[in-house]
Amino acid sequence: DAKTTQPPSMDCAEGRAANLPCNHSTISGNEYVYWYRQIHSQGPQYIIHGLKNNETNEMASLIITEDRKSSTLILPHATLRDTAVYYCIVTLGVQGGKLIFGQGTELSVKP
Amino acid sequence: DAGVIQSPRHEVTEMGQEVTLRCKPISGHNSLFWYRQTMMRGLELLIYFNNNVPIDDSGMPEDRFSAKMPNASFSTLKIQPSEPRDSAVYFCASSLSTGNEQFFGPGTRLTVL
Repeated sequence: DAKTTQPPSMDCAEGRAANLPCNHSTISGNEYVYWYRQIHSQGPQYIIHGLKNNETNEMASLIITEDRKSSTLILPHATLRDTAVYYCIVTLGVQGGKLIFGQGTELSVKP
Repeated sequence: DAGVIQSPRHEVTEMGQEVTLRCKPISGHNSLFWYRQTMMRGLELLIYFNNNVPIDDSGMPEDRFSAKMPNASFSTLKIQPSEPRDSAVYFCASSLSTGNEQFFGPGTRLTVL
């Protein structure tokens, strides 16, 4: 599984968009980009995943660059409850890949 | 749906004792995962099962750790004998199949004195 690089921490003002970057320059053609988050003292929670195309669901949007070497998770209107550690994971996904969690980005949403 | 259920939520034991952690996956899910989280090492995959069969146990730290899945609705992670360095939060997760989104339980916080 390809390695990912994320900034260790970020701040965001409540109500503003939170843009969380992830670098995965060694991603292979059949690997997916998954995002999970972990709110303090809880188990990780799935957010979204994608292969090539941009994806959107009720929680977030995922923007993957054309060369697939990086991606950005967008929380369009961050709330205080979005304060968490966000993990970007590259894996074979439905083809049987494991989730290997790195250190993630600690996002603090401030009033 | 109740989600993934883990018990106990907290466990305090003394070094050398046997510890058994329990997990009930979401009904209908075919894959089950055990993770361990510590400040030093982060979130690590210990072992995962597909259709009750262990697929990858390369993350199990040593022979003191064992995991079983006797049926589709129950799994255990056992540590015997326990050591202080086993203190961590242990998460169980399940998914429809390997590779699909995983649903995590609330975790068991284990403290070995």
